[in-house]
Amino acid sequence: DAGVIQSPRHEVTEMGQEVTLRCKPISGHNSLFWYRQTMMRGLELLIYFNNNVPIDDSGMPEDRFSAKMPNASFSTLKIQPSEPRDSAVYFCASTNSRGFTEAFFGQGTRLTVV
Amino acid sequence: AQKVTQAQTEISVVEKEDVTLDCVYETRDTTYYLFWYKQPPSGELVFLIRRNSFDEQNEISGRYSWNFQKSTSSFNFTITASQVVDSAVYFCALSDSNTGNQFYFGTGTSLTVIP
Repeated sequence: DAGVIQSPRHEVTEMGQEVTLRCKPISGHNSLFWYRQTMMRGLELLIYFNNNVPIDDSGMPEDRFSAKMPNASFSTLKIQPSEPRDSAVYFCASTNSRGFTEAFFGQGTRLTVV
Repeated sequence: AQKVTQAQTEISVVEKEDVTLDCVYETRDTTYYLFWYKQPPSGELVFLIRRNSFDEQNEISGRYSWNFQKSTSSFNFTITASQVVDSAVYFCALSDSNTGNQFYFGTGTSLTVIP
């Protein structure tokens, strides 16, 4: 299996622009997580899907952030409009149960908003 | 409430020394899972181990060993005879049914192994 695939690996964008991060979970996994990692706040859970349904989005920082999972093999995290404080590494992870097995992480997207 | 505490922010050891990374957790649930992940300088998060709350048996995998003690709510990680390749940030994580089976991560311990 190719593992969790995230794209792009790096994104540099100007403040105010829309940014879309993409994730393909491991085939057969039914739970998907979006995390944000910064030096100041560490690893933060943004949103969690189970069977393509958002279960908890309380970690989404504000309305500028949105996430979708239209099918079992694809998810997006969108930031519109982006701000410099959104600069971080965004990780997607998937697991084949509701958390009682380990989550496998993608390689992350390093987002820089200038 | 769930909480994972990794009190050691940074540790430096000389190669071949043993090092223990501490992890203390809080949960009201009787069924929960604990994990350790490694994040090397390249940035990816690599799964190391999972332990469920009903299995307090310690585990050894090569130079790695884990000590799970429910009495002290700790799940510590020991690297024996450390190597430079062990230099990374190590995260402890918790998942239980009260959290909707989400993974909550500690703040990580940055380990530097000096050659």
